[in-house]
Amino acid sequence: EAQVTQNPRYLITVTGKKLTVTCSQNMNHEYMSWYRQDPGLGLRQIYYSMNVEVTDKGDVPEGYKVSRKEKRNFPLILESPSPNQTSLYFCASWGSFDYEQYFGPGTRLTVT
Amino acid sequence: GDSVTQMEGPVTLSEEAFLTINCTYTATGYPSLFWYVQYPGEGLQLLLKATKADDKGSNKGFEATYRKETTSFHLEKGSVQVSDSAVYFCALTPRVGGSNYKLTFGKGTLLTVNP
Repeated sequence: EAQVTQNPRYLITVTGKKLTVTCSQNMNHEYMSWYRQDPGLGLRQIYYSMNVEVTDKGDVPEGYKVSRKEKRNFPLILESPSPNQTSLYFCASWGSFDYEQYFGPGTRLTVT
Repeated sequence: GDSVTQMEGPVTLSEEAFLTINCTYTATGYPSLFWYVQYPGEGLQLLLKATKADDKGSNKGFEATYRKETTSFHLEKGSVQVSDSAVYFCALTPRVGGSNYKLTFGKGTLLTVNP
């Protein structure tokens, strides 16, 4: 089954404690992206990747890092989380000639 | 930059009512337009899309027509069901040299359908 998986689905952590949210896709897609969803703001892109070792900033990259060492994986790293990063995070992937983005189920992060 | 404006919710309808969710956009060139749906507790799923002017996207009884003259992509359904209750997002992606690297979303419209 074609899918994008994210882990964990729920995470509660404290300010400053480094964390990683994993994202994996099994569709051999070139592109991957991270979004955050906040009430009243919709979805905003954090980072995206066009292929292995190629990443670029989206609209709200501050406080986040990403890496793309393998085509299927695109982890999101918060090196020093802060309460304003409490949000619902989605990973997505898509192919070069397909405008449809496939979304993971989401990770709800709470930073206290 | 690119932007999408969709009607604010929430929208509450009775089963079998007619649905319209308005969406307008600002973008250079000829973007592709999408409607995504998010059911409770789930990620987003593509509902329908249109890639050029006058295209009509349709799926599951929903329709939207790409109107370049009014920069709009309104979502419609003739008879909603309780199972259509969800958040609906209008989105666009620019065509920059044929690449597709960014979706710009509207803020979402929560639809609740009562039996």
